[in-house]
Amino acid sequence: GQNIDQPTEMTATEGAIVQINCTYQTSGFNGLFWYQQHAGEAPTFLSYNVLDGLEEKGRFSSFLSRSKGYSYLLLKELQMKDSASYLCAVRDFGGADGLTFGKGTHLIIQP
Amino acid sequence: ETGVTQTPRHLVMGMTNKKSLKCEQHLGHNAMYWYKQSAKKPLELMFVYSLEERVENNSVPSRFSPECPNSSHLFLHLHTLQPEDSALYLCASSQDPQRRGTEAFFGQGTRLTVV
Repeated sequence: GQNIDQPTEMTATEGAIVQINCTYQTSGFNGLFWYQQHAGEAPTFLSYNVLDGLEEKGRFSSFLSRSKGYSYLLLKELQMKDSASYLCAVRDFGGADGLTFGKGTHLIIQP
Repeated sequence: ETGVTQTPRHLVMGMTNKKSLKCEQHLGHNAMYWYKQSAKKPLELMFVYSLEERVENNSVPSRFSPECPNSSHLFLHLHTLQPEDSALYLCASSQDPQRRGTEAFFGQGTRLTVV
C-alpha cells in the first residue's frame, strides 16, 4: 500500500520562498510528481523526480531523497497567483500506471 | 486548455438515475484514467485503461462502470449512486504506460452531486 503525507495548509508572503514537504511510504517507487491545482480547475503538472536530487524549473524546484522517502517543492519569488493546492503523487511499480496522491497542501499567499 | 476535455462540467442526479460522464483527449495518448476527488480526501484512482484495455480497478463499486471505446475516449457510466458518491470526477491521460516517467494530463473534471 501507499501512504503519502503533506501539510494541509501553509501561508506565505508575496515575494518570499516557501517549501512544501511530502513524505511517502510505498510498496514500490517509480517516480514522484508534483501537481498544482487551483480551485475549480484541473491539476496541472509541475515536476517529476525519479532519481535523488534537485530538479529546477524556473521559480519552482523539486527535491527527492528515495532513502528517506522524502520530497519537497520549493517555490521562489512567490506571486499571488501561486495560491493553490499542491499535490504530491507517487507512482509505484505495482499494478497499472496510475498515481497515488497525497491530500494536497493548500498554499495561501498574502500581500 | 490541457487537451483533455470532460463533459458535463456539472451534473446533479437522483439516486435512481443513470447518467454517463465523458472524457476526450486530443493529445495522442494511449492511457486514460478516472480519478475521484472528494473534499478533505486525496485524489483516488478509480480505473486505468492502457491501449484500450482496463488494467486496474481499485475496488470501485459496480455502480460505476467505465468504458473505453478507443484511445481518445473514456466514459464513466453511473447508476443507482449514493449521496456519498458526490465528488469531482477527473479524467486524465498519459503518453505511454510503459514509459513510467510520463506525467498525466488532467481534464477540468465533472462536479457530480447525488441527491
